[in-house]
Amino acid sequence: EAGVTQFPSHSVIEKGQTVTLRCDPISGHDNLYWYRRVMGKEIKFLLHFVKESKQDESGMPNNRFLAERTGGTYSTLKVQPAELEDSGVYFCASSQTEFTGELFFGEGSRLTVL
Amino acid sequence: SQQGEEDPQALSIQEGENATMNCSYKTSINNLQWYRQNSGRGLVHLILIRSNEREKHSGRLRVTLDTSKKSSSLLITASRAADTASYFCATGRRALTFGSGTRLQVQP
Repeated sequence: EAGVTQFPSHSVIEKGQTVTLRCDPISGHDNLYWYRRVMGKEIKFLLHFVKESKQDESGMPNNRFLAERTGGTYSTLKVQPAELEDSGVYFCASSQTEFTGELFFGEGSRLTVL
Repeated sequence: SQQGEEDPQALSIQEGENATMNCSYKTSINNLQWYRQNSGRGLVHLILIRSNEREKHSGRLRVTLDTSKKSSSLLITASRAADTASYFCATGRRALTFGSGTRLQVQP
């Protein structure tokens, strides 16, 4: 069974440009989460989808970040326009259960904004 | 502020020694989980301990939970070089929140 896959693994962009990160969860997992880790600090929660609906987006830093989950399958996280402080590793995770059971993580997308 | 906070931030030991990492959290929990992250990889679930459990074992891992002190510890016995990684505790009622992690270095 395929795990959570994320694309791209690494993206380098200029400040002001746009980047779109993609996450394919494990098939059948209704819950999809985005997290971010900046400069070795804590792993911060960004948002949580249940199927195609945003269950909790309290961790989204500002309106430059837009997450979507088309048809309850894969998800995209767009950063537009990117700022220097957006650099970090963006992790996607999925789970079968909504209430804090085990999460299955992708390997992350490293974003570098120059 | 972060829910889970690991201590120490970094730990270096020799192969064969035991490694103990601690986690403190702030609010009430249903369960607490520990994850491992190898450099450049995703997080991998290690163990989950429920709020009504005090201790749990899985292979060389032993986790304790003290809800009165809002703390947990992860013990790795007979460490190996392959245990070198960052370790995170995670708690939360809906979405998990993580701390900054403990970087464990096991010297061969």
